[in-house]
Amino acid sequence: GDSVTQKEGLVTLTEGLPVMLNCTYQTIYSNAFLFWYVHYLNESPRLLLKSSTDNKRTEHQGFHATLHKSSSSFHLQKSSAQLSDSALYYCALSRNNNAPRFGAGTKLSVKP
Amino acid sequence: GPKVLQIPSHQIIDMGQMVTLNCDPVSNHLYFYWYKQILGQQMEFLVNFYNGKVMEKSKLFKDQFSVERPDGSYFTLKIQPTALEDSAVYFCASSLVRGTDTQYFGPGTRLLVL
Repeated sequence: GDSVTQKEGLVTLTEGLPVMLNCTYQTIYSNAFLFWYVHYLNESPRLLLKSSTDNKRTEHQGFHATLHKSSSSFHLQKSSAQLSDSALYYCALSRNNNAPRFGAGTKLSVKP
Repeated sequence: GPKVLQIPSHQIIDMGQMVTLNCDPVSNHLYFYWYKQILGQQMEFLVNFYNGKVMEKSKLFKDQFSVERPDGSYFTLKIQPTALEDSAVYFCASSLVRGTDTQYFGPGTRLLVL
């Protein structure tokens, strides 16, 4: 079946350093739609960005990700981490218009 | 932005009792979802609901679970009877279009079954 893998459970960074959170997925379907959701403490999870277009960079609020179907990856990146980026980040996969399935999540902790 | 509300925020009940979790979705949304997150684990899909029907469900959506949205009011998840393993945070979400559309999540209901 479909799956989403986020290998890092916790990423700890110093403010100002680049962010890269890994996401890989498995599906036999070619119409995969990938999402990144962010979940700040005491708030609701919300969409950060999404894509279904191969090799096209998607950007939002300083974060970017490129869907690479050849490697089944959708890594989330940011050039410079801020303290306010500390949160849980979920990668999710939808295909055939099914409800998105979420990865285990990566907790990003940005220190001064 | 659009908000999804969930009532109650916390619920403690005894095993075997019935519980109803309520979700007030975004007003013009048509698709509704429940996800379950056990402490320290990932958010798992339970069910997708549209036009009065379950469109899709996972194996976690046991026979003891049911969903409905009577007359456009709250979208509810009912568990009857509850079991210890039902203890989790339950997130409701809604979207205008199915699958690839942005989902708007509520803050979750923390359910503890004793």
